[in-house]
Amino acid sequence: QKEVEQNSGPLSVPEGAIASLNCTYSDRVSQSFFWYRQYSGKSPELIMSIYSNGDKEDGRFTAQLNKASQYVSLLIRDSQPSDSATYLCAVSGASKIIFGSGTRLSIRP
Amino acid sequence: GAVVSQHPSRVICKSGTSVKIECRSLDFQATTMFWYRQFPKKSLMLMATSNEGSKATYEQGVEKDKFLINHASLTLSTLTVTSAHPEDSSFYICSATPRRANTEAFFGQGTRLTVV
Repeated sequence: QKEVEQNSGPLSVPEGAIASLNCTYSDRVSQSFFWYRQYSGKSPELIMSIYSNGDKEDGRFTAQLNKASQYVSLLIRDSQPSDSATYLCAVSGASKIIFGSGTRLSIRP
Repeated sequence: GAVVSQHPSRVICKSGTSVKIECRSLDFQATTMFWYRQFPKKSLMLMATSNEGSKATYEQGVEKDKFLINHASLTLSTLTVTSAHPEDSSFYICSATPRRANTEAFFGQGTRLTVV
């Protein structure tokens, strides 16, 4: 079992709809959770971090964390074509950060 | 936010030569830096974890004699691709984490290596 798992996609969502990206992790002692966005040919950039159970909202993005179920998700409201990218989930503990393989999101006009 | 600078952004080299890529944390001390490679339309692949003052830890299947990593200071790690071949052509990305637990990773801009 991979330490951080994501559906590779591609996930296709119509413009204006909500895109939902999911991630599960195996290490129960993980403390910090991150979502990165990577455009083709570019480095990943941090878009959300979440540390406690529940929802965290930032603009059109909402991160959701459920430590009991060991999953973290990212919702993107009012999806735009510019949101088309690969989204990486990352989980951090005391000594390392582990990345999922990423979900490709495509927003269709 | 924290800044990680990676240099060069692009490099073209001849087969058989070596290429050095630098990764610097500009405004924080990084005890750990990570090196990834990424092929087109593929996910990030962790190559090695670089710890300041000690030997790098390589992932399975990554040749440590081919991909030399040096982490001589808390702000600099280098990756040297030795005796490069066309199959080494890829996008190489470094990331760094500050000296505290449970923190995010900050990525360099990446280096596009083309071996001809």
